[in-house]
Amino acid sequence: NAGVTQTPKFQVLKTGQSMTLQCAQDMNHNSMYWYRQDPGMGLRLIYYSASEGTTDKGEVPNGYNVSRLNKREFSLRLESAAPSQTSVYFCASSGLGTGEAFFGQGTRLTVV
Amino acid sequence: RKEVEQDPGPFNVPEGATVAFNCTYSNSASQSFFWYRQDCRKEPKLLMSVYSSGNEDGRFTAQLNRASQYISLLIRDSKLSDSATYLCVVTPFTGTASKLTFGTGTRLQVTL
Repeated sequence: NAGVTQTPKFQVLKTGQSMTLQCAQDMNHNSMYWYRQDPGMGLRLIYYSASEGTTDKGEVPNGYNVSRLNKREFSLRLESAAPSQTSVYFCASSGLGTGEAFFGQGTRLTVV
Repeated sequence: RKEVEQDPGPFNVPEGATVAFNCTYSNSASQSFFWYRQDCRKEPKLLMSVYSSGNEDGRFTAQLNRASQYISLLIRDSKLSDSATYLCVVTPFTGTASKLTFGTGTRLQVTL
């Protein structure tokens, strides 16, 4: 079972460049999330989508946009990357009636 | 004050030892509580949910103290494979992974 698949696994961007992180899940989950993880800060929620067609801001949404393309896919876009966005990004999904989130393997992004 | 606070450690313990971690949370409206485990450079994975009456899963025991707003994780007979970072997670919802708030994690290193 693939679970939650994120691409790419690694990326280096120059300041001002744009990119989209892709995420897909094959567990028929309604809810999907994007987190970033920084040393000493823990995981922080960027955006989430409770169901297909809806998205909401999390704790740190500035500088990001998301698209819930369909039930399976939830992408995160950086329009103009900044060094402060250097981080490890995790996509996650969860089903109804459960507090368990399943995470992708992460994307290590460096903005120089 | 952070919503979820954990001692970052590291906790260095010999194999076979018993070790306990505490985690405090500030939002009294928190309803659901979890411990996640994260191996180095990997994604977080659910270790166990924490129930009001306390619960056990093999060598792992989780406790919740709502009055003092803390949860704990006890690991008995530590194994080398228990070496990881343990993340305390809370949410104001029941039965959903929405609005999960993560602690920064407590690192455990089990040695021979």
